[in-house]
Parts: sequence; structure tokens; C-alpha cells
Amino acid sequence: DSGVTQTPKHLITATGQRVTLRCSPRSGDLSVYWYQQSLDQGLQFLIQYYNGEERAKGNILERFSAQQFPDLHSELNLSSLELGDSALYFCASSPAYRSGQFFGPGTRLTVL
Amino acid sequence: SQQGEEDPQALSIQEGENATMNCSYKTSINNLQWYRQNSGRGLVHLILIRSNEREKHSGRLRVTLDTSKKSSSLLITASRAADTASYFCATVPMDSNYQLIWGAGTKLIIKP
Repeated sequence: DSGVTQTPKHLITATGQRVTLRCSPRSGDLSVYWYQQSLDQGLQFLIQYYNGEERAKGNILERFSAQQFPDLHSELNLSSLELGDSALYFCASSPAYRSGQFFGPGTRLTVL
Repeated sequence: SQQGEEDPQALSIQEGENATMNCSYKTSINNLQWYRQNSGRGLVHLILIRSNEREKHSGRLRVTLDTSKKSSSLLITASRAADTASYFCATVPMDSNYQLIWGAGTKLIIKP
């Protein structure tokens, strides 16, 4: 158990819908990262937050947005969902810059 | 964009044998990290090696780093069936905004 929690574990929805994925980082970790992993693919970095502020942006679509709240939990919002958005979405946290990251169990999103 | 490239893409060996995976990267780095992912699960941080280190051990894992060749290797000795997983390398570039740059991973299968 990494100490990072993600909810929900599974999400099935239809095209055009909007969903919110939630992440609670390890206690004390200020950095939160979001990743997308499509079937049998590597990780695609989406976005990073540090202590409530956006720090880095990767290949995140305009239909996706995220935020980190004062209690350090984070949410990833995916809107106007398309079939191709079906993937595993991982959240990770780290205690410091450039250190190893601790991954949550992921949310499996299926768009029908 | 991906910086790390793992080699081979897939590796299948007998239990008890050693497994070696390689990672190459393109720019100067602060550190390089190796992660393991069991199918459909979150990634687990294995080991972090800094740019001024050449070798690091953790249990049956041995990681080497050659900054002149911009490459790293992960050796798993006396492999076990439970080592079956995908292994990813990730780098923190020297001039980065602290996000990890991920490779595509090596799929390792240990045959009993």
C-alpha cells in the first residue's frame, strides 16, 4: 500500500459525459501528479500540482482539467468524453522535487 | 515527450535466471528511477540513482548508470515468478520543472 488513494476504482460512462476522479496523496506529500495509461501503453504525464499550484503540464487535453485543494487532495475532471479516453488514470505523490513518486491504485475509466 | 527508451520491449526467461533491462535517455539528468508495474496495477518505485552515482543495489536489484552513454541498466538476479511485470525507467532532466520523463517499459515474463 503506497498511501495514495484514488476513487473510484472503476468508472463506466458514455461518450459526451463528464467525470471527476479523486486522489488523496500520502500524508505530508505536497506534490501530486496525474497520468494516463491506455491499454498496454506507457504512462502519459498529464499535470503536476505542488501545494495547490500547477507546476507542470504534459499532454493534457483542453477537455481535461485538474486542481489541488488546500487539504492537498486533487481532482481530475474529464469532460466531453470520447471513446479514446478509456484508460487507467493514475495519481502519484512525492515528498520532494526530483524524488521517487508513490502511485495510487488507479481509476479504470471505460467510455462506451 | 518520452526521453527514456527501454530495451528490450519484452523479455521472457526461466525462473532462477538473471534479467537485464536497459534504458537510454537523451538529456542530462538529475536522477534516474526504475519502477515496476504489475498488470493493471499502480507503479511501484524500486530504486533511484543520482547522476553522480554509478551503481546501486537493493535486494536482488542492481542498477547501473553511465552518464557518458546516457544509459542505465536494471539487473534482477535469481528471478522469481513474482517478478513478472512491466518495468519502467524514468528520468528527471537537469533543467526540468521536476516532472519525470518516462520510457515505454519492458515487459518481463518469468516462466516457472
